[in-house]
Amino acid sequence: GAVVSQHPSRVICKSGTSVKIECRSLDFQATTMFWYRQFPKKSLMLMATSNEGSKATYEQGVEKDKFLINHASLTLSTLTVTSAHPEDSSFYICSARGATRPGQDTQYFGPGTRLTVL
Amino acid sequence: SQQGEEDPQALSIQEGENATMNCSYKTSINNLQWYRQNSGRGLVHLILIRSNEREKHSGRLRVTLDTSKKSSSLLITASRAADTASYFCATGTGGFKTIFGAGTRLFVKA
Repeated sequence: GAVVSQHPSRVICKSGTSVKIECRSLDFQATTMFWYRQFPKKSLMLMATSNEGSKATYEQGVEKDKFLINHASLTLSTLTVTSAHPEDSSFYICSARGATRPGQDTQYFGPGTRLTVL
Repeated sequence: SQQGEEDPQALSIQEGENATMNCSYKTSINNLQWYRQNSGRGLVHLILIRSNEREKHSGRLRVTLDTSKKSSSLLITASRAADTASYFCATGTGGFKTIFGAGTRLFVKA
């Protein structure tokens, strides 16, 4: 089946540094990728939608200069948390939309990246 | 949550009992999905029901959808301790944008 991977799965960084998280679709081309954030014991909040080759669309309240999204190819999107602070510590999950077979356009979720900012 | 509420927020039952979780949403949808998440782990897709469907079954899972009330329910029959997890409904609108409900934390006691 289709697989979406995220790297790294866990990252710990110091306050003020930037962290890049990669999301890859492994056996299909993803026309659209989505980034979510999940705080402990809370639901997933959609942060932004990215389409290959164009600027990401951010949800209300999400700082685009803080969370840089680059959808450089049909199989890779990256989320960079700039100047990370402890309140950015969260579980970040990406999802990718694509078709593994003709006419079977669907959405697949990655396993998530746990970010801890000290 | 961005889309709606789930109820109950937490549910504790004995193994063998049925568990029912409800989800309400705000906007028109193309489909509604239910996901499961074990603590600190990724999402597992359980079932998708389209807006023109009213009920769907998959193994011990039964999902209903009432678009007039903008609500859905997930029934897990004959629950097992391994069913302990958080369950989220998620609505799909145009463009595959998926919005999640607040979730229900289910605890099944052995």
